[in-house]
Amino acid sequence: DGGITQSPKYLFRKEGQNVTLSCEQNLNHDAMYWYRQDPGQGLRLIYYSQIVNDFQKGDIAEGYSVSREKKESFPLTVTSAQKNPTAFYLCASSRSGGRGTGELFFGEGSRLTVL
Amino acid sequence: QQQVKQSPQSLIVQKGGISIINCAYENTAFDYFPWYQQFPGKGPALLIAIRPDVSEKKEGRFTISFNKSAKQFSLHIMDSQPGDSATYFCAASIGGGSNYKLTFGKGTLLTVNP
Repeated sequence: DGGITQSPKYLFRKEGQNVTLSCEQNLNHDAMYWYRQDPGQGLRLIYYSQIVNDFQKGDIAEGYSVSREKKESFPLTVTSAQKNPTAFYLCASSRSGGRGTGELFFGEGSRLTVL
Repeated sequence: QQQVKQSPQSLIVQKGGISIINCAYENTAFDYFPWYQQFPGKGPALLIAIRPDVSEKKEGRFTISFNKSAKQFSLHIMDSQPGDSATYFCAASIGGGSNYKLTFGKGTLLTVNP
């Protein structure tokens, strides 16, 4: 089955530690995205990538970093610089990022809790 | 600045009733309006979408109504079922649906009682 796999599903981190969230897709999509979801806040774009080896900051990129070395993979690192990292993180993909590309396909999310 | 305002924040409907969720926007450059449905512990999934050249789009029990002059659009769920209980997000995009320009509303938690 084609889809997006995020891991881990749950993650606990101590303050001051970096953590990397994994996102893998087998949909052969060019574009991938990371969103942050907080209760009552909707979905906010952290980073997106339209092609391998290229990525752009979204609305709330501070304290996060990404890489896109393979088409299938788009890992997100939550660094110690992120002031409020406890959240539900969603990875998504689409055929491309540009005009008329329609549907976003989401993974099941990773819930990060900073202790 | 919130570009897409969604209401209500939560909604309780009896089985068989009509669920209505409203969204309003300010940016007249928006030209693609999708709705996403999210079940607990899952990622959102596209439910239905509309472009501003039509005033209504229907897919089964789900209908989007679009009012360009009022800059509002709404989701109607007819004959609501307990299985429709989920969080619903409206969204808007410029550039003909460019996903990296997609702005989401804050979501509506729908509960359909049996």
